[in-house]
Amino acid sequence: DQQVKQNSPSLSVQEGRISILNCDYTNSMFDYFLWYKKYPAEGPTFLISISSIKDKNEDGRFTVFLNKSAKHLSLHIVPSQPGDSAVYFCAASARNTGNQFYFGTGTSLTVIP
Amino acid sequence: DAGVIQSPRHEVTEMGQEVTLRCKPISGHDYLFWYRQTMMRGLELLIYFNNNVPIDDSGMPEDRFSAKMPNASFSTLKIQPSEPRDSAVYFCASSLWGGPGYGYTFGSGTRLTVV
Repeated sequence: DQQVKQNSPSLSVQEGRISILNCDYTNSMFDYFLWYKKYPAEGPTFLISISSIKDKNEDGRFTVFLNKSAKHLSLHIVPSQPGDSAVYFCAASARNTGNQFYFGTGTSLTVIP
Repeated sequence: DAGVIQSPRHEVTEMGQEVTLRCKPISGHDYLFWYRQTMMRGLELLIYFNNNVPIDDSGMPEDRFSAKMPNASFSTLKIQPSEPRDSAVYFCASSLWGGPGYGYTFGSGTRLTVV
C-alpha cells in the first residue's frame, strides 16, 4: 500500500518558468517530509525538507509547501533550469516509524532550454 | 568521505542463479537501508539495520531475499534463486540517528537484470 503518492510520472517545463511537483500522503502521523533529486545512474540526493510545524520552507530556488489538512505537499522550483532535469522523489516519516522514510514513485522533470 | 559505496554497478544473471549485492556505508552512520526502485512502486524499503542489527525486514518480498550486516562497514543483499521479476535498481543508504529530520545518503545503486 503506497502511503506516499506522486501521481504525475512526468512534467515538462520551459526554462525560466516555475516547476511544481506534487505529492500526497495518506498517513496523518507523518510529521517530516523531504524531497530528493535523482540523476540517471546516480543515487538520490537530499534536496529540501519540511517539518509538520511549518507550512513552507525555502532554499534558494526551491520551496516546499505543506498542507496538512489536505495531506499534500509540493515542491516549487523558480526559475527552472535545464540542470534541474531529474527524477524527484518525495518522502515522509513519522516519529513512531523511527528513522524510516516512505518514498513516492517519483516525478521525472524535464526543463526545456 | 567517499560516500556510500555499492558494488557491482551492474549485474546481469540468469534466472535461478544466486546474486549478491554489496554496500559500504558512510563511516560513523549507524543506520543502513536497502531499497529497490521500480517504476510501479518507486523506492521501496526492503530492510534496514541499526548498529548492524536488522530492525525491520517486512519489506523483503520473499524468502529468496536475505540481508546481512556482519560489521559496521559492510552489508550484503542476497537473492537466491533470482527471478526475472527481481530486475530493478537496488540502492543502499545510510544515515545518522537524529530523529526523522536526518535524511539518507544513498549509494549509486546496483542495476540488476535477471534473464
